[in-house]
Amino acid sequence: SYVLTQPPSVSVAPGQTARITCGGNKIGSKSVHWYQQKVGQAPVMVVYDDADRPSGIPERFSGSNSGNTATLTITRVEAGDEADYYCQVWDSRSECVVFGGGTKLTVL
Amino acid sequence: QEQLQQWGAGLLKPSETLSLTCDVNGVSFKDYFWSWIRQPPGKGLEWIGEINHTGFTNYNPSLKSRVTFSVDTSKNQFSLRLNSVTAADTAVYYCARAINQGDYDRIEFWGQGTLVTVSS
Repeated sequence: SYVLTQPPSVSVAPGQTARITCGGNKIGSKSVHWYQQKVGQAPVMVVYDDADRPSGIPERFSGSNSGNTATLTITRVEAGDEADYYCQVWDSRSECVVFGGGTKLTVL
Repeated sequence: QEQLQQWGAGLLKPSETLSLTCDVNGVSFKDYFWSWIRQPPGKGLEWIGEINHTGFTNYNPSLKSRVTFSVDTSKNQFSLRLNSVTAADTAVYYCARAINQGDYDRIEFWGQGTLVTVSS
């Protein structure tokens, strides 16, 4: 089955830019979606279709996807952005939703 | 306002059947796929599968043999049954609304989650 690889953790100081990667074979040919999960809460979609934002998500959240890597970028990071972030694609071969392992974003 | 309200037994013994139901309010039940995702304590997300209003289903191959989905369109509800549970099935189970367009699937809205613990 299709595998998505994320770094377990990313740390960034407030006001800086965080980049969270999601690796997969030819992931650039797929649509990638990103979810934010704060402690004790259900996940919330923050980016869909590689780079689009749902209503209510700040412009600080953006995405890109090319080749074998998709990236979630969070600019001007705030303490409230501290959370686990998951990437997700549809694997058409197995007809299955696939999640990455998740990345814990720590705001220093 | 969209709401997904889920319920079901929170404590099971090994070999029993997990049963959860999710009630949908605020959106058109017929326009989406309805998903189940789980998250073991301290671990990542695992997709269980999904169903639409016609009963069309997609499953995680690793769980397919133990999973049954159902829908009740008269009540805008969908359900999950997972049989022969073990401790490895201990997790928070989420119901969710998804868009599936053949070669595409994204999960747009999640329920609050239900912790299901399997213990003898």
